[in-house]
Amino acid sequence: DAKTTQPPSMDCAEGRAANLPCNHSTISGNEYVYWYRQIHSQGPQYIIHGLKNNETNEMASLIITEDRKSSTLILPHATLRDTAVYYCIVRGSNTGKLIFGQGTTLQVKP
Amino acid sequence: AAGVIQSPRHLIKEKRETATLKCYPIPRHDTVYWYQQGPGQDPQFLISFYEKMQSDKGSIPDRFSAQQFSDYHSELNMSSLELGDSALYFCASSSGTPAYEQYFGPGTRLTVT
Repeated sequence: DAKTTQPPSMDCAEGRAANLPCNHSTISGNEYVYWYRQIHSQGPQYIIHGLKNNETNEMASLIITEDRKSSTLILPHATLRDTAVYYCIVRGSNTGKLIFGQGTTLQVKP
Repeated sequence: AAGVIQSPRHLIKEKRETATLKCYPIPRHDTVYWYQQGPGQDPQFLISFYEKMQSDKGSIPDRFSAQQFSDYHSELNMSSLELGDSALYFCASSSGTPAYEQYFGPGTRLTVT
């Protein structure tokens, strides 16, 4: 599975959009980009995933660059409850395991 | 909606003892994953099962074993416990494998003294 690189921490003002970047320059053609988050020692929570196209669901949007070497998770209106560690994970289509990297600690401030 | 159930939620054991962690997946989910998260660390994949067969294996110590039963619940057995085994153990379930979304349980906090 491709290695990902994320900034260790970010701050965001409550109500503003949070943009979390992820680099995955060695991603292969059949590998998906997944985002999970973990709120203080709770079980990780799935957010969104994508292959090539941009994706949006009720939680977030995922923007993947055309060369697929990087992506950005967007939380459109961050709340205090979005404070968590956000993991960008690249996973192939033939395996179910998730390989968690360092992740980005997002702190949403009032 | 029903979620993944893990028991016990907290467990305290002494070195060299044995521990058994249980995981009850979401109804109709046939795949179970186990992850270990040490203090201040990121979750690490241990092992997974699909339809009661081991489907993938990570960095699981030989002292650990796991299985998935006919009702799809899973148990992680840990023997000769060491201080370094103190961690949060998460179970996740999904429908099929590989599945887009894994649903994680609340975890079992194991403390080895």
